[in-house]
Amino acid sequence: QLQLRESGPGLVKPSETLSLTCSVSGGSLTRRNYYWGWFRQPPGKWLEWIGSLSYSGSTYYNPSLQSRVTISVDTSNNQFSLKLRPVTAADTAVYYCAREVTFGGLVGLDSWGQGTLVTVSS
Amino acid sequence: EMVLTQSPGTLSLSPGERATLSCRASQSVSSSYLGWYQQKPGQAPRLLIYGASSRATGIPDRFSGSGSGSDFTLTITKLEPEDFAVYYCQLYGSSPTWTFGQGTKVEVK
Repeated sequence: QLQLRESGPGLVKPSETLSLTCSVSGGSLTRRNYYWGWFRQPPGKWLEWIGSLSYSGSTYYNPSLQSRVTISVDTSNNQFSLKLRPVTAADTAVYYCAREVTFGGLVGLDSWGQGTLVTVSS
Repeated sequence: EMVLTQSPGTLSLSPGERATLSCRASQSVSSSYLGWYQQKPGQAPRLLIYGASSRATGIPDRFSGSGSGSDFTLTITKLEPEDFAVYYCQLYGSSPTWTFGQGTKVEVK
């Protein structure tokens, strides 16, 4: 069974770097046709797509965040990571990783991590 | 830029009643890329509907999706206690991109 789990600091200072890792078990990040994404949800608000990683290692970013975001992969540990810098209070949110399915008639986010709250504050 | 607008913002209903949630896109879209999610407090979203009308694995048949063009609907025929939650519509775009509506909260009347 596929499981995703986010990890990283829950508190980041303004102007510093937010770093999170998504550990995946029960499925390979390099399995063809699957993408892997980062999403966030500010308190009381809706979901926002941050960026995606393809099975081949290509990355795609939300244009509104592109200048500050980097997504990378560690295939040996079946993990992918998010870096966002510099952060402000507006980046305070619950951050989720999820599997993206876009083939075989199913287009959707079918597996999610439990989410991790990151607060930006001094 | 694609915008998804959900209505109403809050739906107050009783268990056993029918819920009808709307999602309108700012331009016509492919129904293949329209999905619906349920989110309960403190939990991650759960995929309910993909392709506008197909239920995801394990989703009860009281949940159904419909629509085309720019107007889509999620219907819950008879609300169960566990259905009270926030519901989001989602659109996938090429590149890839993912866009979400602002959500509809279904609350107990």
